[in-house]
Amino acid sequence: EDKVVQSPLSLVVHEGDTVTLNCSYEVTNFRSLLWYKQEKKAPTFLFMLTSSGIEKKSGRLSSILDKKELSSILNITATQTGDSAIYLCAVRNDMRFGAGTRLTVKP
Amino acid sequence: GAGVSQSPSNKVTEKGKDVELRCDPISGHTALYWYRQSLGQGLEFLIYFQGNSAPDKSGLPSDRFSAERTGGSVSTLTIQRTQQEDSAVYLCASRPNTGSYEQYFGPGTRLTVT
Repeated sequence: EDKVVQSPLSLVVHEGDTVTLNCSYEVTNFRSLLWYKQEKKAPTFLFMLTSSGIEKKSGRLSSILDKKELSSILNITATQTGDSAIYLCAVRNDMRFGAGTRLTVKP
Repeated sequence: GAGVSQSPSNKVTEKGKDVELRCDPISGHTALYWYRQSLGQGLEFLIYFQGNSAPDKSGLPSDRFSAERTGGSVSTLTIQRTQQEDSAVYLCASRPNTGSYEQYFGPGTRLTVT
């Protein structure tokens, strides 16, 4: 059975901390892995990863895929309160989503 | 318990035809969303229903797209005069209340317009 598992389920940190969110998967016909940030409404697309070992970076956020380990990590450095959200990992072919990691950044 | 269900799981239609996609949210969930995922793209928000409030239709790409939610439960997304660019996976998600950001997604409907 295909599955996507994210950890931790929730995380509370203080501003300025660095966090690492994990996503592991077991899916058939893997095509790509996507990270989203979800606040009140629509999830916001962050990264799409298809190749192993190539880091994608956007400001304080970065992510990398390890196809050998069937996993990906999302790093956020120098966290801010605005980073508080649920971070979703999804794996294509069938857009299977993990349960998400709820990140809370305290002032 | 039962999760969000969508039907059909796959739909192939000819250009110009109308299609209806159905979403059954988790019982008791007040919020319901429709998204679409086009090939190589991120998740695109389409429409949002919250209780009895007027839906947020700001994501609908054209007036060919419409959605209804009957009795605060089942929702139908209708695409009229389908075009090839409408081909995508259409995802429905629901969440239990306004205090929670977590959404529960259905398996999606893969629409192919030929």
